Amino acid sequence: KQEVTQIPAALSVPEGENLVLNCSFTDSAIYNLQWFRQDPGKGLTSLLLIQSSQREQTSGRLNASLDKSSGRSTLYIAASQPGDSATYLCAVRGQYGGATNKLIFGTGTLLAVQP
Amino acid sequence: DVKVTQSSRYLVKRTGEKVFLECVQDMDHENMFWYRQDPGLGLRLIYFSYDVKMKEKGDIPEGYSVSREKKERFSLILESASTNQTSMYLCASSFFGQERRPQHFGDGTRLSIL
Repeated sequence: KQEVTQIPAALSVPEGENLVLNCSFTDSAIYNLQWFRQDPGKGLTSLLLIQSSQREQTSGRLNASLDKSSGRSTLYIAASQPGDSATYLCAVRGQYGGATNKLIFGTGTLLAVQP
Repeated sequence: DVKVTQSSRYLVKRTGEKVFLECVQDMDHENMFWYRQDPGLGLRLIYFSYDVKMKEKGDIPEGYSVSREKKERFSLILESASTNQTSMYLCASSFFGQERRPQHFGDGTRLSIL
């Protein structure tokens, strides 16, 4: 059974720092991996989606990498800002889940960027 | 922009009541999903549907049922609400078979069962 773990559970950094969030998964047979952002009391916003054949994806100050063989992904945030404060979740889609796009989520990393 | 709308942001119900949570999406997505989110447990899939009148159990379907009579609408039903169903409920939708397309989420319904 696929399990997704995110470390650390919480992180506090001063504004301007570069930071890395980690995600690990136990079964390397995945179709893709997604990173989401969740603001307090809100739903999830998709940030980046990496296909299993890809090594990384970039969007603005965000860069996500994927090492499928070792079961790891990282989300790199450059020059962090207070507006980046949120919970960040990763989720994997299993290779054998059919076409229904079923995701398995980690429990998230709560990020606080101090001004 | 994709819009997934959940009918209520906050809901308070009593034990034993029948509760309906509604979700509507406007992007003609085939797939729709219901999750619950609890501290320390993350998001867990309750039910999903890949077509009208089609449904499949997720990881925690006990105590819940669903209805998908129209493509754009997916309802979650708590047949007899219990206090352990107090949670944040999130609806999502996506295209069928589109691995490169992400799931899109609504803002959630925070449900309290007293």
